[in-house]
Amino acid sequence: NAGVTQTPKFQVLKTGQSMTLQCAQDMNHNSMYWYRQDPGMGLRLIYYSASEGTTDKGEVPNGYNVSRLNKREFSLRLESAAPSQTSVYFCASTRTYGYEQYFGPGTRLTVT
Amino acid sequence: ELKVEQNPLFLSMQEGKNYTIYCNYSTTSDRLYWYRQDPGKSLESLFVLLSNGAVKQEGRLMASLDTKARLSTLHITAAVHDLSATYFCAVDRKKTSYDKVIFGPGTSLSVIP
Repeated sequence: NAGVTQTPKFQVLKTGQSMTLQCAQDMNHNSMYWYRQDPGMGLRLIYYSASEGTTDKGEVPNGYNVSRLNKREFSLRLESAAPSQTSVYFCASTRTYGYEQYFGPGTRLTVT
Repeated sequence: ELKVEQNPLFLSMQEGKNYTIYCNYSTTSDRLYWYRQDPGKSLESLFVLLSNGAVKQEGRLMASLDTKARLSTLHITAAVHDLSATYFCAVDRKKTSYDKVIFGPGTSLSVIP
């Protein structure tokens, strides 16, 4: 099992550019999450998907959109990148409510 | 609104010493989790605490949960350098039919010889 995979691992964008972060899990988990991690801020939830076909906003959804393409894949899109979106982005999945999350390796994004 | 606090945020301790990290949360929760993150790496699950009075131990780490006090502790016994990492607690607040997890800010632990 690969667990949770994310692509790309690193990305540099210019202000105003768009990109999609990809996430996939092979554990047959129902719920998937996107977080951002900034120094001193811990992890903040951007969006989550409790099950295939559903998505919901987390703490910091502005400037992002998501797609739960199928049970395995959950993508995060930045339509018009801003320097404030410079961060490390983690995707996570869990079987369902009450189980621990499994995290991907992260994507380090810099917006100049 | 659910808030999760940890203290201390930074902890430097000598090898062989004991210490406790505290995690407080502001509203009723069904689940509490502890994760570890090594520098530049991803997060790894340590413990899942499911009910009041739950206690779990793995090696030199022991976690407990008091839901009435809205408090969880992560106790470190006889610290070793390999435990140097950032530790996060996270609280699960089930909202209608969806689940949502809020993380604390993390405690950066440095164990020095």
